Amino acid sequence: KNQVEQSPQSLIILEGKNCTLQCNYTVSPFSNLRWYKQDTGRGPVSLTIMTFSENTKSNGRYTATLDADTKQSSLHITASQLSDSASYICVVSARGNTDKLIFGTGTRLQVFP
Amino acid sequence: DADVTQTPRNRITKTGKRIMLECSQTKGHDRMYWYRQDPGLGLQLIYYSFDVKDINKGEISDGYSVSRQAQAKFSLSLESAIPNQTALYFCATSASNTGELFFGEGSRLTVL
Repeated sequence: KNQVEQSPQSLIILEGKNCTLQCNYTVSPFSNLRWYKQDTGRGPVSLTIMTFSENTKSNGRYTATLDADTKQSSLHITASQLSDSASYICVVSARGNTDKLIFGTGTRLQVFP
Repeated sequence: DADVTQTPRNRITKTGKRIMLECSQTKGHDRMYWYRQDPGLGLQLIYYSFDVKDINKGEISDGYSVSRQAQAKFSLSLESAIPNQTALYFCATSASNTGELFFGEGSRLTVL
């Protein structure tokens, strides 16, 4: 069964600190892996999309890694800001006639001053 | 202005009522989607459309219907709303099969 599991479920950090969010998946055949940021009450916004051949991709202070062998991804946030408070959703695309997206349940990050 | 606009943003209705959620986009994308988000669950696909004449069921289409009125417009209907359809609904668009999804701001529906 195609699944995407994220950890931790929630995380609290102080402003300026770094943090790493984890995503493990059992999706086959793999097409790509995406990270989205969802502010409370808003729609998700794409941070990164990685294909099988990419093992790291950055978007400003956000850096995603992908290990396709172990089927793990991480999202590292550097020098956190209050505006980073949001849910971060890992999404894995299963290749097919039409790629199917499998969404994780997200990690809720709170950044305090 | 938002690229993907959903109306209404919030709606409270009663069991048995017909509800329509509307989505319009200015991104020029052919592909449009309706998702449902429940607390503690990942987003689930309700319906998707790859062009005006193409409608496909997603994972949880029972109790829902859609209409693609134009390339830019995709509406979701609940013919007879029930309480377990209380959720946050998102419309999204993409330019290609593997491309980035662009989401609307969401429509929060409460069925009493």
